[in-house]
Order: sequence, then C-alpha cells, then structure tokens
Amino acid sequence: DTGVSQDPRHKITKRGQNVTFRCDPISEHNRLYWYRQTLGQGPEFLTYFQNEAQLEKSRLLSDRFSAERPKGSFSTLEIQRTEQGDSAMYLCASSLRGLTNTEAFFGQGTRLTVV
Amino acid sequence: TQLLEQSPQFLSIQEGENLTVYCNSSSVFSSLQWYRQEPGEGPVLLVTVVTGGEVKKLKRLTFQFGDARKDSSLHITAAQPGDTGLYLCAGGARGGSNYKLTFGKGTLLTVNP
Repeated sequence: DTGVSQDPRHKITKRGQNVTFRCDPISEHNRLYWYRQTLGQGPEFLTYFQNEAQLEKSRLLSDRFSAERPKGSFSTLEIQRTEQGDSAMYLCASSLRGLTNTEAFFGQGTRLTVV
Repeated sequence: TQLLEQSPQFLSIQEGENLTVYCNSSSVFSSLQWYRQEPGEGPVLLVTVVTGGEVKKLKRLTFQFGDARKDSSLHITAAQPGDTGLYLCAGGARGGSNYKLTFGKGTLLTVNP
C-alpha cells in the first residue's frame, strides 16, 4: 500500500493524558499536513511541513499541541494534557509541491476520544 | 477568511436518479478539489479543477469549476448505492499559501436501493 498511513486508527484516553499520533506520507511527497475534523464539519487545517520544516501553524493549534517531522519523512502529532474538546478525527495528508494547486492525499485518520 | 458553503447539506435519493451538489464561495481559489468520505475513514480525492470554466468527468460524475473560480458543482448521473458518502469540496488558497485547503461542511448523500 503506497498511500498515507496513520497510526493508531483509534485512541481512547483519559482527560489529562498525553497522546501521540504517527503519519507516514506517500514516499515521494515533500509536503505534509495535519487537519482536524469534528462531527458535522469539514476538515480544518492545523499545520504544514515542507520537508522537515514546519512552515505554518493554525491558531487552532494551542500550546498543548506539537508536531514534528524530524527527517522529512514521517510526522508525529502530540497532544499534551488532553481535554474533552480535543475529541476529533485527526487527519494527515501529503502532497507534492505544485505551482498552482495542491492535490492532497489523506490517510484514514486517527479517531481520538477523550473521556 | 475564505469560506465554502455546500448545498444541500443532506440528500437522500433513489438508485438511478440524477443529482447535483453545489460548492459556493465569495472568494477566488487557486484550485478546487472534491473528496468523498465514508464514515470513520479519511477523505478520498475525486478530482482537482484549476481553470475557470473547467469541466471534468469521472465515469458518472461531472465536475465543473465556475468561470470566476469561486464555485463548483458535482453532478452524478444514475446514482448507485456505492455513491453514498460525504462529498466535500476544498479550495486551495491563492498565492504563497496555495498548499492550504479550506473545506466546506460537505453534502451527505444517501442513495437507497
């Protein structure tokens, strides 16, 4: 399978715990994104990497959130001191840098439930 | 802030019917993408349109990008139960932020056998 891979698919955690998600993009893609999707909404942009550099972070990404892409390949998204409002589907996507458009390919997502 | 409005929000039809869903904005986008998402899964890219007035066909699905690149439509001919899902449109920002996609809330389509 050469698509975007996310792990785990589901995570249930207690409020206050830390969680970390992993994303493996399509191998030749240099751009990687994290989005968050809540029930009844479309995905919302969280952050963007070009190779290993994190070039943009949304205001949605509070100080409790941190994302890394240490070698320009896989990425991790960590949430510290989880809150119930963090419950959502966390989606990773990747793309090749293009001049006029971005064809982003998404993984299957990690469903986070904070209880 | 760029916003995308999708309509209708919900659509339930019988197998064999035709349908059109819409994606509208007051903003101009560099590109527009349509995705289909099934419950518990990530969005799957269907098509990207870039040029104003562009029409693309994917089997029974026809996608159109508005002349002003502010709106788009998706038409499905002879819908089948396998077409059931959440259809999302997403616009690429203009200029240096063209990597960032703004999504609509989607149209939830149910095709009944």
